[in-house]
Amino acid sequence: GAVVSQHPSWVICKSGTSVKIECRSLDFQATTMFWYRQFPKQSLMLMATSNEGSKATYEQGVEKDKFLINHASLTLSTLTVTSAHPEDSSFYICSAPDRVGSGNTIYFGEGSWLTVV
Amino acid sequence: DAKTTQPNSMESNEEEPVHLPCNHSTISGTDYIHWYRQLPSQGPEYVIHGLTSNVNNRMASLAIAEDRKSSTLILHRATLRDAAVYYCILSGDTGRRALTFGSGTRLQVQP
Repeated sequence: GAVVSQHPSWVICKSGTSVKIECRSLDFQATTMFWYRQFPKQSLMLMATSNEGSKATYEQGVEKDKFLINHASLTLSTLTVTSAHPEDSSFYICSAPDRVGSGNTIYFGEGSWLTVV
Repeated sequence: DAKTTQPNSMESNEEEPVHLPCNHSTISGTDYIHWYRQLPSQGPEYVIHGLTSNVNNRMASLAIAEDRKSSTLILHRATLRDAAVYYCILSGDTGRRALTFGSGTRLQVQP
């Protein structure tokens, strides 16, 4: 089946620095990718929708200047957490539909653990 | 997207069938029923999805009520590796709109 891969699986960074998380669709092209955040014992919360070749769409309450999303190609979207703070520590997950249209399948990456110290 | 209702938790014994229910009384005619599961510290894993007819695949079966207001995910023989949070999600256009996750059902499998 289709595979979505994230890198890194986990990262520790110092407060105030920036960290980039990559999301790749390995065997299909994704014009759209979705980024989620999940805090411990909570469900996934959508952060933004990444669109290839155009600006990302952010959910209410998500700071676009803090969570920079770039979807430069049909197989790669990146999320950069800028000026990270301990409260940004979370599990970040990306996903992508395997094709446009109704009834298709959305595949998820393995997730990336971010710890800000 | 229409809302779904699932029990918070369920328990099962290993090698026994498990029936995970989901109510979605406000489902629209174009909504597909998707099931995903999430193991600890992993991203969600696709299980199965359907529109009107029952569906079977290697992982599970999906039984959809005739009025589509409820569905049941069936794991035919639970294993310890099936212990996870199972999410029932409705979506009419997964090509453009993200899936909205509720709290799901936490399945515990006892040896």
